[in-house]
Amino acid sequence: LAKTTQPISMDSYEGQEVNITCSHNNIATNDYITWYQQFPSQGPRFIIQGYKTKVTNEVASLFIPADRKSSTLSLPRVSLSDTAVYYCLVALYSSASKIIFGSGTRLSIRP
Amino acid sequence: KAGVTQTPRYLIKTRGQQVTLSCSPISGHRSVSWYQQTPGQGLQFLFEYFSETQRNKGNFPGRFSGRQFSNSRSEMNVSTLELGDSALYLCASSHGTRGTEAFFGQGTRLTVV
Repeated sequence: LAKTTQPISMDSYEGQEVNITCSHNNIATNDYITWYQQFPSQGPRFIIQGYKTKVTNEVASLFIPADRKSSTLSLPRVSLSDTAVYYCLVALYSSASKIIFGSGTRLSIRP
Repeated sequence: KAGVTQTPRYLIKTRGQQVTLSCSPISGHRSVSWYQQTPGQGLQFLFEYFSETQRNKGNFPGRFSGRQFSNSRSEMNVSTLELGDSALYLCASSHGTRGTEAFFGQGTRLTVV
């Protein structure tokens, strides 16, 4: 099972771009990289998923280098409502099976 | 489409009792997984059911069990409750195939007193 390492916490300001990097050195060939967002007392919410290179959706971008040993979640122009814990997951099935959630990154956005 | 529904949202039980939590996945999803979240341990995987069969299991004692019905709804049971079982229990549903994302419910907040 691939273990992930993320910064414990990050601070930023409204309107800034935030990049959160996750390390997953022993990612397997068939593993996908998925990011979730969680607010207090709520279930995690899917943000984005990728296998290689770059993926972009309406809320974020995910950058994955060729060796896939790390990935970077990019949140453009953050707002106060982006204050949450962000989890990076690596798993074959993003069905939440065989997934280990790390401690996540607590992102705090200031006015 | 409707999201993942967990019932009840809040529950208070006494040590030694048992509890059953319910999860209704998104229509069409065949995989349901359960997680326990506590401030000290974070999110920990309990087990996953796929088409009524347990496909994966985490490192929890046998007091924690689950099942899945033919309509993909799932229940989780905890017997002989301990104070340390107080947690947010989350259910996630997905198609259960490679590369598909999981959708989490709001969770059930269980307090054992």
